[in-house]
Amino acid sequence: KNEVEQSPQNLTAQEGEFITINCSYSVGISALHWLQQHPGGGIVSLFMLSSGKKKHGRLIATINIQEKHSSLHITASHPRDSAVYICAGPLYGGSQGNLIFGKGTKLSVKP
Amino acid sequence: NAGVTQTPKFQVLKTGQSMTLQCAQDMNHEYMSWYRQDPGMGLRLIHYSVGAGITDQGEVPNGYNVSRSTTEDFPLRLLSAAPSQTSVYFCASSYQGTDTQYFGPGTRLTVL
Repeated sequence: KNEVEQSPQNLTAQEGEFITINCSYSVGISALHWLQQHPGGGIVSLFMLSSGKKKHGRLIATINIQEKHSSLHITASHPRDSAVYICAGPLYGGSQGNLIFGKGTKLSVKP
Repeated sequence: NAGVTQTPKFQVLKTGQSMTLQCAQDMNHEYMSWYRQDPGMGLRLIHYSVGAGITDQGEVPNGYNVSRSTTEDFPLRLLSAAPSQTSVYFCASSYQGTDTQYFGPGTRLTVL
């Protein structure tokens, strides 16, 4: 059975700090998603990556398929980054459309 | 584009009642999925569809039915609601082969 584990579960940071959230999975998968869930509940897709690194603004995601590990980094964190960050991998090895999720990392950035 | 829409936003049911959660997307996506989100559990896949007329079960399908008669719509039916089905339900869609999942705003369901 696929397992997706995230750490830490909760993270509090001061504005401006560099933040890292980690995601590990127990079986081989072809790609991994990072999602953001806002305090109001809406879920937004941030990245899907199958190798290397992707960058969008202050967000950087990296993945090592062989080590079954991905990280999400936030540079120069801001209170508006406060959200739950969720990683997800494809269920049954598919590439997308049916995912298994980590439990999320709740990030709080203090001004 | 409206993206992925879900109705209703909130619903309260009594045990044993049935209802349908609606999900629609206007992006011509082939893939659509239903998830439930419970505290401490993360999102779990209920049912998914890879195209009109094709559906399959996910992790937690019991007590739910789906159908996909059109590309746009993917309703989720609760046959006989139970308190264990109290949850927030999200519908999502994506293109085949693309890298973005689009989520609806969610439906918060309470079963008394």
